[in-house]
Amino acid sequence: SYVLTQPPSVSVAPGQTARITCGGNNIGSKSVHWYQQKPGQAPVLVVYDDSDRPSGIPERFSGSNSGNTATLTISRVEAGDEADYYCQVWDSSSDSWVFGGGTKLTVL
Amino acid sequence: EVQLVQSGAEVKKPGESLKISCKGSGYSFTSYWIGWVRQMPGKGLEWMGIIYPGDSDTRYSPSFQGQVTISADKSISTAYLQWSSLKASDTAMYYCARLPLGYNWFDPWGQGTLVTVSS
Repeated sequence: SYVLTQPPSVSVAPGQTARITCGGNNIGSKSVHWYQQKPGQAPVLVVYDDSDRPSGIPERFSGSNSGNTATLTISRVEAGDEADYYCQVWDSSSDSWVFGGGTKLTVL
Repeated sequence: EVQLVQSGAEVKKPGESLKISCKGSGYSFTSYWIGWVRQMPGKGLEWMGIIYPGDSDTRYSPSFQGQVTISADKSISTAYLQWSSLKASDTAMYYCARLPLGYNWFDPWGQGTLVTVSS
């Protein structure tokens, strides 16, 4: 089955840029989606189809995907961005929806 | 506004059965897939399965096939996740979420249902 690998944690100071990676075999050939989950809340979609943002999501959130790595980039990080972030793809070979293990973003 | 509202928290004993629900509103319930996702305490998200309420076409993750049953009642715009015999390891938060037509991401999500299985 397809596996997505994320770093367990990323730390960044307020105002800086956070980059959260999601690794997978030839992930660049798939569409990657990203979710933000704050403590005690349900996940929220923040980026879909590699780099598109749902309405209401700040432009500070962006995504890219190439080769074996997809990246969620959060510019001008704020304290309110502290959360767990998950990447997700649909694996056509197994008709399965796959999540990465999640990355905890800490704002220092 | 598209909304998914899930049933309330449950406390059950091992071996008991359970059925939790997810009610959709603000859109055509029969035209969108609904997925279920498990989150065990302190852990990540796991896809369990999806259902198309229009014709009840259902697909399961191999990890959950035979462990749970996903169903839907389109007359009341509600999807279900059920267990016939709960185990302590079923203790988790369970989320339902909608898949936009023709796409493979989940949006929006229900608020979650916490299931606690303990003797």
